[in-house]
Amino acid sequence: RKEVEQDPGPFNVPEGATVAFNCTYSNSASQSFFWYRQDCRKEPKLLMSVYSSGNEDGRFTAQLNRASQYISLLIRDSKLSDSATYLCVVNTGRGSQGNLIFGKGTKLSVKP
Amino acid sequence: NAGVTQTPKFQVLKTGQSMTLQCAQDMNHEYMSWYRQDPGMGLRLIHYSVGAGITDQGEVPNGYNVSRSTTEDFPLRLLSAAPSQTSVYFCASSYSLGNQPQHFGDGTRLSIL
Repeated sequence: RKEVEQDPGPFNVPEGATVAFNCTYSNSASQSFFWYRQDCRKEPKLLMSVYSSGNEDGRFTAQLNRASQYISLLIRDSKLSDSATYLCVVNTGRGSQGNLIFGKGTKLSVKP
Repeated sequence: NAGVTQTPKFQVLKTGQSMTLQCAQDMNHEYMSWYRQDPGMGLRLIHYSVGAGITDQGEVPNGYNVSRSTTEDFPLRLLSAAPSQTSVYFCASSYSLGNQPQHFGDGTRLSIL
């Protein structure tokens, strides 16, 4: 099992749609989780951290399921500007130890 | 606040040439790292540093050297460029190793002919 796995997509959705991405990770000791966004030919940028109880930032909701070792990202009311690749990021160790491992990303395309 | 600055943005090299990719951050971050990103491969860690004078290997270190003489700078050296090193290189920094989000530079696109 790869350390961090994501569905590569692409997910093609109309404006206003709700879309969800899942990501699975293999290291049960991982304790830090993030979602990054990467636009075409740009650097990755932090979208949001993922907390144990789940967290929301506007139209974006992140969830963590430790038992099944997956995290999810829900985007409501999709905008054209949400078109990007979304990277799932997990640390490899406990607490502040271990490096961050990046998934290969899920591509989202929002159409008018 | 410049954040993480990478130079150059683009570079073309011939096989066997050497060069240094520069990375500087002004956020007083202890942790810095270099990644390469290839189509279908995602971001892969090359080398990282947890502080001045300390470096360690990541997932794909072969063919690359690093040094960390100051907190601000973390250059990546290609000693003898090979076509397999054609990639986009990102430098990143953060306050700590594994539990803080990383801030990325805007990348260096490197082609080896």
